[in-house]
Amino acid sequence: GDSVTQMEGPVTLSEEAFLTINCTYTATGYPSLFWYVQYPGEGLQLLLKATKADDKGSNKGFEATYRKETTSFHLEKGSVQVSDSAVYFCALIPGGSEKLVFGKGTKLTVNP
Amino acid sequence: DAGVTQSPTHLIKTRGQQVTLRCSPKSGHDTVSWYQQALGQGPQFIFQYYEEEERQRGNFPDRFSGHQFPNYSSELNVNALLLGDSALYLCASSPGTGLSYEQYFGPGTRLTVT
Repeated sequence: GDSVTQMEGPVTLSEEAFLTINCTYTATGYPSLFWYVQYPGEGLQLLLKATKADDKGSNKGFEATYRKETTSFHLEKGSVQVSDSAVYFCALIPGGSEKLVFGKGTKLTVNP
Repeated sequence: DAGVTQSPTHLIKTRGQQVTLRCSPKSGHDTVSWYQQALGQGPQFIFQYYEEEERQRGNFPDRFSGHQFPNYSSELNVNALLLGDSALYLCASSPGTGLSYEQYFGPGTRLTVT
């Protein structure tokens, strides 16, 4: 079935460090890929998305590229800030569907 | 502009009881989806409502049912509660069906079953 696997957390970084959160997927057809972020006490927010192979999604300094050959959608940011501390979820929508399939989430803590 | 709102914020129920959770979509949105997020897990899709009809359903038993009203608000009902139903229940709305429409999530209702 359709599934998303993302790196185990928690991840703790110092401010201005480089961030990578790995995400791989299994899906039938051609899925769309997403990263969502959940700040403490808030609802899930869409961070970025990519709908076809080689697309790069970007927002707020975060980037992820849809790699069909490696079935991956790794999240990167060149210089993290304390305000980036949150839980990050990789997700997909399988081809022909509209339901989001989420990974387990990765908690990021950025220290000043 | 109010975003997606859910009520109540927290709820404690006993095994075997029934519960109703409520969701008001973001203004201008007509599609509502419900997700269950167990502790330490990602959200799992329960079902989606559009035009007062259930359009798609995830792998949840019939104890989970829903409804959408003409004003697009929605309810999630769970019967015969089990301890395993303890979770954060998320509602998401979008201005239509299809991948081009972003789903906006509410803060969730925390259900504890004892």
